[in-house]
Amino acid sequence: QSALTQPASASGSPGQSITISCTGTSSDVGGYEYVSWYQHHPGKAPKLMIYDVSSRPSGVSDRFSGSKSGNSASLIIDGLQAEDEADYYCTSYTSSGTWVFGGGTKLTVL
Amino acid sequence: QAHLVESGGGVVQPGRSLRLSCAASGFTFSHCAMHWVRQAPGKGLEWVAIISYDGTSEFYADSVKGRFTISRDNSKKTLYLQMNSLIPEDTAVYYCARNPYGDYYFDYWGQGTLVTVSS
Repeated sequence: QSALTQPASASGSPGQSITISCTGTSSDVGGYEYVSWYQHHPGKAPKLMIYDVSSRPSGVSDRFSGSKSGNSASLIIDGLQAEDEADYYCTSYTSSGTWVFGGGTKLTVL
Repeated sequence: QAHLVESGGGVVQPGRSLRLSCAASGFTFSHCAMHWVRQAPGKGLEWVAIISYDGTSEFYADSVKGRFTISRDNSKKTLYLQMNSLIPEDTAVYYCARNPYGDYYFDYWGQGTLVTVSS
């Protein structure tokens, strides 16, 4: 159950676009269309942003999108806003019937 | 609107036990699988365990297998995490999270409860 690989940090200016990657294996990210992404502000409950690789829950801005290719998934944020500054985590269902998270990416809006 | 409230956290000595609870409201609890997820201080989120909607199936992270037990009481709309043989590495904020029926993600989360394992 090794954690998925995410960059520790990312940054961008307001209005820019940014992509956060999430790399796993054929036993998790590559084997299923069950990658989801969460936004986490310290001290608050994590918030679902993307599920099933690219689906967006009701109420989540369409500036957020997701994709997957092989064993890697990506979260794309268009038109960065100050409120997007948070930690972002990917997770995937695995062939063991468990879930695995990425190490998290701290997004800074400059 | 689904609402989840964790309780039962606190300070406990290594080797001792603690039981966490997660009270659910605002949705049909018995229709949803439920997870526990934790976050150690300064670390990322770590998936801990899942229990099926009817309590007949459970899966655990290797780090807690054999020490933690997830359970639920659908009549009380409550999820539990029994934590035995606690070690300092179990120190974390523990979140419960809802898994919609037939899906593979966490759509609602509680605010978390802090467990500190220290002598």
